[in-house]
Amino acid sequence: QKEVEQDPGPLSVPEGAIVSLNCTYSNSAFQYFMWYRQYSRKGPELLMYTYSSGNKEDGRFTAQVDKSSKYISLFIRDSQPSDSATYLCAMLLDKVIFGPGTSLSVIP
Amino acid sequence: DTEVTQTPKHLVMGMTNKKSLKCEQHMGHRAMYWYKQKAKKPPELMFVYSYEKLSINESVPSRFSPECPNSSLLNLHLHALQPEDSALYLCASSQAMGVGEQFFGPGTRLTVL
Repeated sequence: QKEVEQDPGPLSVPEGAIVSLNCTYSNSAFQYFMWYRQYSRKGPELLMYTYSSGNKEDGRFTAQVDKSSKYISLFIRDSQPSDSATYLCAMLLDKVIFGPGTSLSVIP
Repeated sequence: DTEVTQTPKHLVMGMTNKKSLKCEQHMGHRAMYWYKQKAKKPPELMFVYSYEKLSINESVPSRFSPECPNSSLLNLHLHALQPEDSALYLCASSQAMGVGEQFFGPGTRLTVL
C-alpha cells in the first residue's frame, strides 16, 4: 500500500462548479498536511497548510482533514479556468511525502 | 515574502559538462531541499540540508553534488549527467526540517544531451 493515495484524474469540470479533491494516507504519524497547485512546467505553489482535524478556509479554497479516517480533501468553490492545474496533496514528518497529484481542467 | 528563487530557469548540457544550479531564500528558513520532478510525477526528494548540514541524501548518484554555502543559499553541482537526468529540478525551504510549510522555487528545467 502506498503511503499517500490520490486519484490522478484527469478531472474535468465546468466553470463555476465546486471541485472536490481527495487523498488518503496510511501512516497515522502524519500530523501536518499541505495542498499544492502546480501549473505545467512551474514549481508547486502552496495553497493550504493544516494541522488539526477539521476545516480551514482561504478564499475559494477549503481544506478538510479527518485524521480518524486518514483522509484529507480540498474543495474549490466557483472554479475558474485559471484553476486548471495539477493538485498535489502532501504530508509532513521529517520530510514531505507527496501524493501522485490530480490533474484538473476547468472548462469555460 | 515567501519567495524561493532559482537560477537558471533552463539549462541544456552535454554529458561531459559541469554546471551548477542555484537556489536562494531570504525567509530565515534553516531547512533547504532539492527535488527532482519528471513529467506527470510528483517531486522526488534528493537532498535535505538542515542548519547548513546535509541531513538526508536519498541515495542520489554522486554525479549530483549539493552544497550549502550559507543559510540562504543552496547549490546543486552537476557533472557527467545522463540523458535520463533530464527533469525539472526544484528547490524548497521550510522553517526547519519537519517544521512548517515548505515553499518551492520555480525550478530549473534541465536537458541533458
